Amino acid sequence: DAKTTQPNSMESNEEEPVHLPCNHSTISGTDYIHWYRQLPSQGPEYVIHGLTSNVNNRMASLAIAEDRKSSTLILHRATLRDAAVYYCILRKYNNNDMRFGAGTRLTVKP
Amino acid sequence: DTEVTQTPKHLVMGMTNKKSLKCEQHMGHRAMYWYKQKAKKPPELMFVYSYEKLSINESVPSRFSPECPNSSLLNLHLHALQPEDSALYLCASSQDLKVKGTGRDQPQHFGDGTRLSIL
Repeated sequence: DAKTTQPNSMESNEEEPVHLPCNHSTISGTDYIHWYRQLPSQGPEYVIHGLTSNVNNRMASLAIAEDRKSSTLILHRATLRDAAVYYCILRKYNNNDMRFGAGTRLTVKP
Repeated sequence: DTEVTQTPKHLVMGMTNKKSLKCEQHMGHRAMYWYKQKAKKPPELMFVYSYEKLSINESVPSRFSPECPNSSLLNLHLHALQPEDSALYLCASSQDLKVKGTGRDQPQHFGDGTRLSIL
């Protein structure tokens, strides 16, 4: 199974953009790129996902490299509430199997 | 508030007790999941149910026994647990991606978990 690599931790200032990187050099053509986050004392929460094209939703943007070997989750204006562990996950199309990597712990400073 | 409800939120039990964790969703999802999460670690997949049938068992010890009595409910029966089983147990649900015609990939929806402590 393809693996993802993320930095252990990142810091950001409130109201500034945050770019969270993820490397997935062994990604296959049928792998979707998912991002989830886990706020303290809560279950993981879906953020965004994509296959080949960049994606935007109300929470974030997902930029996918042309060769799909890396992706970046973009939070346009970080708030204190965005402090969480962010997980980049590969999930095969038409497969219920979803496994978490170590994730990036994001700290947002006021 | 999440759309996946887990009860109880906290559970303390002895190693000889039998207890059950419950999970409920009313989103019409036909895939349901159990994950185990130790402190400061990512969630680890334990079981996956697809249309009320067990489809993935990640070599979980038999002291954990899952059950999916209907499309809305998922249980995890616990018996003779060990102290190292203390963890946060997370339930999730999603559209069943193995069904043809589901189309685009679908996210999982998680509950807030049951925090289990084994004395």
